[in-house]
Amino acid sequence: EIVLTQSPGTLSLSPGERATLSCRASQSVTSIFLSWFQQKPGQAPRLLIYGVSTRAPGIPARFSGSGSGTDFILTINRLEPEDFAVYYCQQYGTSPGTFGGGTKVEIK
Amino acid sequence: VQLLESGGGLVQPGGSLRLSCAGSGFSFSDHAMTWVRQTPGQGLEWVSGINSDQRTYYADSVKGRFTVSRDNSKNTLFLQMHSLRVEDTALYFCVWVRGPLTHFYYLDVWGKGTTVTVTS
Repeated sequence: EIVLTQSPGTLSLSPGERATLSCRASQSVTSIFLSWFQQKPGQAPRLLIYGVSTRAPGIPARFSGSGSGTDFILTINRLEPEDFAVYYCQQYGTSPGTFGGGTKVEIK
Repeated sequence: VQLLESGGGLVQPGGSLRLSCAGSGFSFSDHAMTWVRQTPGQGLEWVSGINSDQRTYYADSVKGRFTVSRDNSKNTLFLQMHSLRVEDTALYFCVWVRGPLTHFYYLDVWGKGTTVTVTS
């Protein structure tokens, strides 16, 4: 089973700043099978990025994903008030499709 | 695409529960489906998945206790849970997979979830 480790656990930033979230895998993720999800309190997770870097429909361009092998990054440029939430990475190259522990982006 | 889970509730340790997920707005039989759970205040855990060809997969934490199945004629996904433990307490989400396999295709649309509470 691939273990995904997200860092930092919490990111305290101000609106307008850039957020850089890390997701590291315990072994190489098969090809490009990595997603990012956003979750707000009381809501189900929402798909942001799939295939490492492809934005899901309706996701603003300020969200971008990158990386390969074992190291992946989610970047949020110019944070908007609605971006403060918890973010999870997930690999789906193998079953079970494991999730990272999450990064909370909070308002500083 | 819409997913509606049901069947959650309160159950004692060692008990059983059957979750259902009704899907609409897509060709149910052509897609894999998964169950993902979230313990209170915690992260996400992939629980189980079923391919369009009925092949099933489980997390080690539930293997041998949970069974995933689907009824394509009713566009419904099921999760039969036996020998429930306190640590199975969670919000269970049904998730639509963007393809016929639980791997190689990403999780796309999530239901709102159904809550399972295991307590004596």
